[in-house]
Amino acid sequence: GIQVEQSPPDLILQEGANSTLRCNFSDSVNNLQWFHQNPWGQLINLFYIPSGTKQNGRLSATTVATERYSLLYISSSQTTDSGVYFCAVKSGNTPLVFGKGTRLSVIA
Amino acid sequence: DGGITQSPKYLFRKEGQNVTLSCEQNLNHDAMYWYRQDPGQGLRLIYYSQIVNDFQKGDIAEGYSVSREKKESFPLTVTSAQKNPTAFYLCASSTASGVSYNEQFFGPGTRLTVL
Repeated sequence: GIQVEQSPPDLILQEGANSTLRCNFSDSVNNLQWFHQNPWGQLINLFYIPSGTKQNGRLSATTVATERYSLLYISSSQTTDSGVYFCAVKSGNTPLVFGKGTRLSVIA
Repeated sequence: DGGITQSPKYLFRKEGQNVTLSCEQNLNHDAMYWYRQDPGQGLRLIYYSQIVNDFQKGDIAEGYSVSREKKESFPLTVTSAQKNPTAFYLCASSTASGVSYNEQFFGPGTRLTVL
């Protein structure tokens, strides 16, 4: 099945810093989503982005489907951005396959 | 409010007991999913259903069972055959796979602890 790799696995930032999270996948996809898991475990939808670029406030994402990667940008990070960021992809009729996540800690 | 609800939020079970986790959605989604998350790990697929009265095994289905009698509901039973059931369980739903826009949404989860 499709493989999803996220990097880096862990990231520590000072408040106000910018960061880039990467998601590589092994096959063509028809769905790619970025999620933020908050400290209570809730998975929050950030982007539905099988291709192209989207922005939502301080967050933006780009997926280059032909090169099989997606990037999540976080600018001017805040302590509330802390948590785990997951990339998940879908190929054909299969369910979403998740990467192992990037654990982000933003320090005041 | 449209969304996915899971109950209970916390569940404690004695070894050897079966327990059922509830998942309900009012998003009119055809597809529903169950995932398991262990501490510090990603999500692993247990079962999924693309349509009422049909479901498929995911990567870690052993020791679990599901039913899909109604479009809105997809309960998960953790049986006594599941050797390490203590985990965080997440339910999700989406439109059908054949639909071009196929975003998946998650419920708040149930934390199951076996005593």
